[in-house]
Amino acid sequence: SQQGEEDPQALSIQEGENATMNCSYKTSINNLQWYRQNSGRGLVHLILIRSNEREKHSGRLRVTLDTSKKSSSLLITASRAADTASYFCATVGNQGGKLIFGQGTELSVKP
Amino acid sequence: EAGVAQSPRYKIIEKRQSVAFWCNPISGHATLYWYQQILGQGPKLLIQFQNNGVVDDSQLPKDRFSAERLKGVDSTLKIQPAKLEDSAVYLCASRDPGTGKGEQYFGPGTRLTVT
Repeated sequence: SQQGEEDPQALSIQEGENATMNCSYKTSINNLQWYRQNSGRGLVHLILIRSNEREKHSGRLRVTLDTSKKSSSLLITASRAADTASYFCATVGNQGGKLIFGQGTELSVKP
Repeated sequence: EAGVAQSPRYKIIEKRQSVAFWCNPISGHATLYWYQQILGQGPKLLIQFQNNGVVDDSQLPKDRFSAERLKGVDSTLKIQPAKLEDSAVYLCASRDPGTGKGEQYFGPGTRLTVT
């Protein structure tokens, strides 16, 4: 079963703009991860945020986590055409390393 | 460090035929996962191995799907007989639970088309 719901389902922006994707989930988690998938490189891990963390940065990526609202957001700043891909949030519950993925957000960055 | 290897990359079969996929995880990664990703959806876990033991196969359709990881390294996933709804990308991933890091490393996937 899918745990997360992502919003929006599709997002189209111009190069240089920021992109924000949101993820909501249903059950308590140990951590939440974001992955990127494109045809060239498959599914790649971007960033992990633990349930006791509220914000995390990695390069142009910023992830926030609100466990009270069971939601997370991924911000990509100064987007590039190479950021065009599908982005998935995935949660890990307290019982172990099983990832449960959302439906994904399809991001298109136009040059 | 070599990544997760999968073969074949593409496979087309007719319904009711059998098919097998192979995965070689990153060296030293004790945990191995098989996911099914239907077009337009996120990956769904089919089975998780810890070394050569099954940890979670709750979403594996056991009447037609089987998987094994006999020596705790390579793994095969088999579908017999295939149905049209099995058309999907089958992803293998691995993780080293000893590092305490949660991320999984994915292979390129096998795209299965059942006609």
